[in-house]
Amino acid sequence: EPEVTQTPSHQVTQMGQEVILRCVPISNHLYFYWYRQILGQKVEFLVSFYNNEISEKSEIFDDQFSVERPDGSNFTLKIRSTKLEDSAMYFCASSEPGKLFFGSGTQLSVL
Amino acid sequence: TQLLEQSPQFLSIQEGENLTVYCNSSSVFSSLQWYRQEPGEGPVLLVTVVTGGEVKKLKRLTFQFGDARKDSSLHITAAQPGDTGLYLCAGEIGGTASKLTFGTGTRLQVTL
Repeated sequence: EPEVTQTPSHQVTQMGQEVILRCVPISNHLYFYWYRQILGQKVEFLVSFYNNEISEKSEIFDDQFSVERPDGSNFTLKIRSTKLEDSAMYFCASSEPGKLFFGSGTQLSVL
Repeated sequence: TQLLEQSPQFLSIQEGENLTVYCNSSSVFSSLQWYRQEPGEGPVLLVTVVTGGEVKKLKRLTFQFGDARKDSSLHITAAQPGDTGLYLCAGEIGGTASKLTFGTGTRLQVTL
C-alpha cells in the first residue's frame, strides 16, 4: 500500500539552527500538508500546498517556516531559526479527495 | 477559530463492553473525519462523513454525523484490546483539501 514517507524520524538541534524536514508524499496525490503535534496537545495545521504554491497557512506558520517541492517527489518543511517551542512531532500528509494520508512523523527536539 | 471538543478524554473499559466517543463543536463542518493514532505514528483515517445525519459502519465501529454537521459520535461495540489507541475527530470547513481542525482526542484502553 502506498504511504507517505518522512525523514528523519528524529531530529535534535540547537536553538537558532536551521532544520529541514523531508517528506515523500504518495505519488499521484496533488495536495500536501504539514501538521504538528506538541507532546500532549492536539494535532495542529501548519500549511497546505497545491500546484507548487501555498494554498493555506495557519498563524503558526510565520516567516521562520517555509515549504518547498524541489523536485517531483520531495516536499520539505524548513524552519530557519529554531526555537524551543518548535519542539514537536511534525507530520507530513498528502491527500486524494476525501482521504488524508499521514506519514509517521519527524520528532523534532530543540535544545 | 474552530474548536472540536472530544469526550471523554480518557476511557478505560473491559473487553466486550460498548462505548461511545463524542466530538462536538459550535462550527458547521463540510465533512468530519475520524482517525486513530498509535504512539509515535501519524493519524490513520478511519472514516469520512459528509452528510448531516449520515451513519457509517466499519466492522464494530459506527460513526454518525450530526444533522447540523456540528457534531459526531463514534460507537464501538464489543470492544477488544486491539481497539486501544487515541481516537481523533477532525473537521473540514470549505472545499476539498482544505485544512483540518483536529479534536482534543480520546484515549481508549481496552483490557482483558
